[in-house]
Amino acid sequence: AQSVTQLGSHVSVSEGALVLLRCNYSSSVPPYLFWYVQYPNQGLQLLLKYTTGATLVKGINGFEAEFKKSETSFHLTKPSAHMSDAAEYFCAVRGGSGNTPLVFGKGTRLSVIA
Amino acid sequence: NAGVTQTPKFRILKIGQSMTLQCAQDMNHNYMYWYRQDPGMGLKLIYYSVGAGITDKGEVPNGYNVSRSTTEDFPLRLELAAPSQTSVYFCASSYAGTDTQYFGPGTRLTVL
Repeated sequence: AQSVTQLGSHVSVSEGALVLLRCNYSSSVPPYLFWYVQYPNQGLQLLLKYTTGATLVKGINGFEAEFKKSETSFHLTKPSAHMSDAAEYFCAVRGGSGNTPLVFGKGTRLSVIA
Repeated sequence: NAGVTQTPKFRILKIGQSMTLQCAQDMNHNYMYWYRQDPGMGLKLIYYSVGAGITDKGEVPNGYNVSRSTTEDFPLRLELAAPSQTSVYFCASSYAGTDTQYFGPGTRLTVL
């Protein structure tokens, strides 16, 4: 079975500061890992995903995440926060490819302070 | 492409009433999913389908039913609505064997 833990339900950063959202996963098979973003009153959009290959993954809007197998982590970062980054962010894991559904974390709300 | 569409956007039900949440996608995706989102709890999978005529239970299927008679549509049925079903419901779809899920805008349901 797979599971995801997102550390911190709410993160607040100043505009221009580093964004770091933490995600740890548990999977009995090599995982596929995802970050989704949800803006207020909208559905979720894919930010980035890791399946195989390069462990540093770049996504949209300047976000990136690094898969660290030894730490079972997939933290999301952005060098400089923008006001438009304020949203809720969800980490998700799938145990391999195929039919296995995604398992989502509980989400981290990011606030950006001017 | 409209992507994934959901209707209605909002609905208030009385306890014991029934309703169907509609979901449609025009991307020819084989896989479709229903999630519920409760504050601070993330998304919980209710049901999913890997193709027309095939459905399977997710983590929280009790109180819900689904059908998948066409590739495009995946309605979610609530029978005998209960306050515990107050939530935001999201439908999503993806290509078979491809991982990116595309989400609809959600249906906000309140059961009083």
